[in-house]
Amino acid sequence: GAVVSQHPSRVICKSGTSVKIECRSLDFQATTMFWYRQFPKQSLMLMATSNEGSKATYEQGVEKDKFLINHASLTLSTLTVTSAHPEDSSFYICSATPGQGYYGYTFGSGTRLTVV
Amino acid sequence: EDKVVQSPLSLVVHEGDTVTLNCSYEVTNFRSLLWYKQEKKAPTFLFMLTSSGIEKKSGRLSSILDKKELSSILNITATQTGDSAIYLCAAPQRAGGTSYGKLTFGQGTILTVHP
Repeated sequence: GAVVSQHPSRVICKSGTSVKIECRSLDFQATTMFWYRQFPKQSLMLMATSNEGSKATYEQGVEKDKFLINHASLTLSTLTVTSAHPEDSSFYICSATPGQGYYGYTFGSGTRLTVV
Repeated sequence: EDKVVQSPLSLVVHEGDTVTLNCSYEVTNFRSLLWYKQEKKAPTFLFMLTSSGIEKKSGRLSSILDKKELSSILNITATQTGDSAIYLCAAPQRAGGTSYGKLTFGQGTILTVHP
């Protein structure tokens, strides 16, 4: 089955530093990847949609300069939280789909970011 | 803008109870409705519903879509403590051709099953 690997699973960083989260599709080419943020006991909130080779599409209210998304290949998308602050602490999940036909949306296992 | 609404937002039951979770949607160019279970990490896929009135079943879980009412229910019979999770309903946005676009999630239902 389709597998998406997300790394790291947990990261603690200091305020003001940047953190990069990777999302890889291991056995399929992901034309499109999605990045979500989830607060405790809440649903997933879509942050942005990234298509390979083009700029990400950000949802309203999401700062593109704060959350940099790169989708340089069909198997890798990265989310960089720049100049992180404690309010950026959250659970970030990526999801990937091949795009054509229905193979489902495969989710990464998530990254717990804590900014201290 | 697509909208997915779930109810109840939280539910506490005892083992052996049967629960029904609700999901209603307003989606342009509806294609399907998806149900997921999320415990500690990534959501795991439960069901995809595309046709009205056809029940999908997996063990103690079942789900059905009502396109007339723009809604779906997820039933769990004989609940167990391991069913405790957030249950998410989501609708994919139709992208170009046969492509699937972003998922619109409902708020989720937090189910707690006590022994």
